[in-house]
Amino acid sequence: DTEVTQTPKHLVMGMTNKKSLKCEQHMGHRAMYWYKQKAKKPPELMFVYSYEKLSINESVPSRFSPECPNSSLLNLHLHALQPEDSALYLCASSQGSGSGNEQFFGPGTRLTVL
Amino acid sequence: AQSVAQPEDQVNVAEGNPLTVKCTYSVSGNPYLFWYVQYPNRGLQFLLKYITGDNLVKGSYGFEAEFNKSQTSFHLKKPSALVSDSALYFCAVRDSPNQGGKLIFGQGTELSVKP
Repeated sequence: DTEVTQTPKHLVMGMTNKKSLKCEQHMGHRAMYWYKQKAKKPPELMFVYSYEKLSINESVPSRFSPECPNSSLLNLHLHALQPEDSALYLCASSQGSGSGNEQFFGPGTRLTVL
Repeated sequence: AQSVAQPEDQVNVAEGNPLTVKCTYSVSGNPYLFWYVQYPNRGLQFLLKYITGDNLVKGSYGFEAEFNKSQTSFHLKKPSALVSDSALYFCAVRDSPNQGGKLIFGQGTELSVKP
């Protein structure tokens, strides 16, 4: 299995809702990432997990809460989001977090916050 | 601080012609360079990378990139463009082995290949 899967593909939520995004990979990768991407812009790194431990948090607001239950799964819990949080949320994984490792991206979750 | 520049927002090419998408970088140590492609409503797909060694790197879908240390460039090339190559292309860099997984992306170049 050489892909990263993300669910759901689309999500519409109100500002008071709680929802979660899910990411899964079965490539044995030990680093996993969350990115936020606005239309036609580069992805912005949010979080990095290395060996199931949070290694980078790019000063992301606390309404976004990552979780890595095991080496194959990565979740992003959402609560009290703002309309400006509407974006494509991409998950990625790599064999390790070292600089030479390319990242493999999932198809993303298109999030709309009303 | 490390950075990546893609000087062209858009590149237009006729099908069958060669294409080049430009990328220049600035890093304090040895560069680890990547190219990704993003088709509409999709995630990014890895095309190729330069870590060390041969300056000409071959990647997926017939793409290649040339690393030029003196010009700090890593341009993406393809000898004969296809309409299906139309997409958004991102160059990215990491600086040194201890970057901890963070990729620095360029702003992206939209490639349009017309029949």
